Amino acid sequence: QSVLTQPPSMSAAPGQKVTISCSGSSSNIGNNYVSWYQQLPGTAPKFLIRDNDKRPSGIPDRFSGSKSGTSATLGITGLQTGDEADYYCATWDSSLSAVVFGGGTKLTVL
Amino acid sequence: QLQLQESGPGLVKPSETLSLTCTVSGDSISSSIYYWGWIRQSPQKGLEWIGHIYHTGSTYYSPSLKSRVTISVDTSKNQFSLRLNSVTAADTTVYYCARLCVPMTGPCNWITPWGQGTLVTVSS
Repeated sequence: QSVLTQPPSMSAAPGQKVTISCSGSSSNIGNNYVSWYQQLPGTAPKFLIRDNDKRPSGIPDRFSGSKSGTSATLGITGLQTGDEADYYCATWDSSLSAVVFGGGTKLTVL
Repeated sequence: QLQLQESGPGLVKPSETLSLTCTVSGDSISSSIYYWGWIRQSPQKGLEWIGHIYHTGSTYYSPSLKSRVTISVDTSKNQFSLRLNSVTAADTTVYYCARLCVPMTGPCNWITPWGQGTLVTVSS
C-alpha cells in the first residue's frame, strides 16, 4: 500500500472538469508541500504542480492544485483526450524521513 | 536545458548487485542547491523513492531499502550512481534518476526533471 491514498481510476468526458484527491496524514501532507505528476503511457512522470498549488512554467492553467489539512487535490478543467494519463501526488513524510507517493489515479477521458 | 540520463546493465542475476549511473547535463551537480536521486516504478508497488544525495555526499535512503542501497556522486563527471545489493526478482522494474527539491533544501518538495527511465530485469 502507498502512504498517500488516491482513487485508482476516474473518468470524465472531454470538456468536463475532474478533481483527483490525495489523502495522507499530519506527518506528510499535513505538514509538507505536495507536488503532482502526470505520466503518459510509456513515458517518465512529468512535473505538474509544486508547493501545493503552484504551476511550473509551461503547465497550462487548466491544471490546478490545492491542499486542506491532510488532503490535497489536483483539478483539471476543459478535459482533453491528451489528458488521459496516470496522475500521482507526492510529498515528504517527516516521520519516515522519506519521499512518499500516492498509488496513482488512471484518468480516462471518454 | 537540464537533462538526466540513466545507464547501466539491463539484466542482473539474482543475489548480485544492480548498478546504475545517471549523467546530468545542463547543470553542475557540484554547484546545485538541489538533491539528486533515484526512484523506481513497478506495476505492483507504483512509484517508490529509493534515495537521494547532495553534492557533498550527504545521503538519505528509503527505510525499506536502506540495508541494500548505496547512492554516490562523482562531481568530476557530473554523475551520480545507484548500487542495490542482493537483488531478487522483486527488484525487476523501471529505475528513474531525477533532481529533487526536498525539505533538506528548503520548504519545498518536488521532482523534476526525470530521466527517461531504464528497465532492469533480475533473472538468471
